[in-house]
Amino acid sequence: EDQVTQSPEALRLQEGESSSLNCSYTVSGLRGLFWYRQDPGKGPEFLFTLYSAGEEKEKERLKATLTKKESFLHITAPKPEDSATYLCAVTPFSGGYNKLIFGAGTRLAVHP
Amino acid sequence: GAVVSQHPSWVICKSGTSVKIECRSLDFQATTMFWYRQFPKQSLMLMATSNEGSKATYEQGVEKDKFLINHASLTLSTLTVTSAHPEDSSFYICSADVITRTGFSTEAFFGQGTRLTVV
Repeated sequence: EDQVTQSPEALRLQEGESSSLNCSYTVSGLRGLFWYRQDPGKGPEFLFTLYSAGEEKEKERLKATLTKKESFLHITAPKPEDSATYLCAVTPFSGGYNKLIFGAGTRLAVHP
Repeated sequence: GAVVSQHPSWVICKSGTSVKIECRSLDFQATTMFWYRQFPKQSLMLMATSNEGSKATYEQGVEKDKFLINHASLTLSTLTVTSAHPEDSSFYICSADVITRTGFSTEAFFGQGTRLTVV
């Protein structure tokens, strides 16, 4: 069964304190792995797509990496505005549609 | 990026009534749209895949007679929650894919979500 597990469930950081969020996945063939940011009461906002092990992508203070079993979202010197829930999702090759299987997310709180 | 507009952003309805939620792709055509449901502090769960001009494909455990999906045009999909009950209260989110020439979605764009409360 295709599955995505994110850890930690919640993370509290001081402003400037770098850390990493983990996304472990079990999938019958990975078509793509996605990272999204979700603010309370809003829909997810796209951050990155990774396709193959070894791939890395960066955007401002965020950097996403991918291995064959997991992905990491590194947050460097976070600011309070980075506080949000970060969602990881995968699209497997199985099935006829490009549907996303989401993890439960990591709730990040960055305090001044 | 592409814009997906969802309406309404919140709705309160009485138990037993029906509620329609609209999802529009504003600046691109979406042959496929997806409907998700999200409970507090939980992840998005795919309910159904909406295909323009054909019947929706529902995920296991989702009642197709309760959650009616219509994808009448390349820019509009609707989700109607029929005979709503308090347990249907949730956050409903739609998404639309940008499909490349190879048929693979490089990213999905999400609407802002609809908070449904059934009283």
